[in-house]
Amino acid sequence: GEDVEQSLFLSVREGDSSVINCTYTDSSSTYLYWYKQEPGAGLQLLTYIFSNMDMKQDQRLTVLLNKKDKHLSLRIADTQTGDSAIYFCAESTTSGTYKYIFGTGTRLKVLA
Amino acid sequence: KAGVTQTPRYLIKTRGQQVTLSCSPISGHRSVSWYQQTPGQGLQFLFEYFSETQRNKGNFPGRFSGRQFSNSRSEMNVSTLELGDSALYLCASSWGGTSGSRNEQFFGPGTRLTVL
Repeated sequence: GEDVEQSLFLSVREGDSSVINCTYTDSSSTYLYWYKQEPGAGLQLLTYIFSNMDMKQDQRLTVLLNKKDKHLSLRIADTQTGDSAIYFCAESTTSGTYKYIFGTGTRLKVLA
Repeated sequence: KAGVTQTPRYLIKTRGQQVTLSCSPISGHRSVSWYQQTPGQGLQFLFEYFSETQRNKGNFPGRFSGRQFSNSRSEMNVSTLELGDSALYLCASSWGGTSGSRNEQFFGPGTRLTVL
């Protein structure tokens, strides 16, 4: 199948770390992405990881990729109230026709 | 470099009418994808155009159609509007991608369509 799955909700306290998980199904995916969507806005690209990497760090963001389990995670260190948003993972796949598949989205709520 | 623009930003229509939404991609990008976002269904892929050809299509009825012009600008049309078509319609542009290449999508702010 082509489902990219994420848990629907995550709630954390300000200053804690947030970990958002994603499971994808296409082992031929070459790039995986994380997007952030604030209320009423479009999606904003946060970061990406190439499929031959295990980890990528970008300031407060750490992306971990477990290719064997097809599991992707986004860790946000020192989570702030401004991080409250919906987070989507996405994969670009070359299996069959070229496609870009988004996950279901995880709504992150940061409590002050 | 200008971002992805979508017009109009807000639209109110009544059932049975039709609507056309417009998307101007980032300069140099050849791919435009359209998504429908609703609270209940999340982000649903409508279709993607690449170099004026529809490259991918989601599972939407034929009332939803699109096209892309030679300057990569794209339009999406919904005919015979239904209440359930009320949603945020997002457009995303990318350079197009080929096998194994990075191809992040850049999103516009969306068009909020309300069908009464």
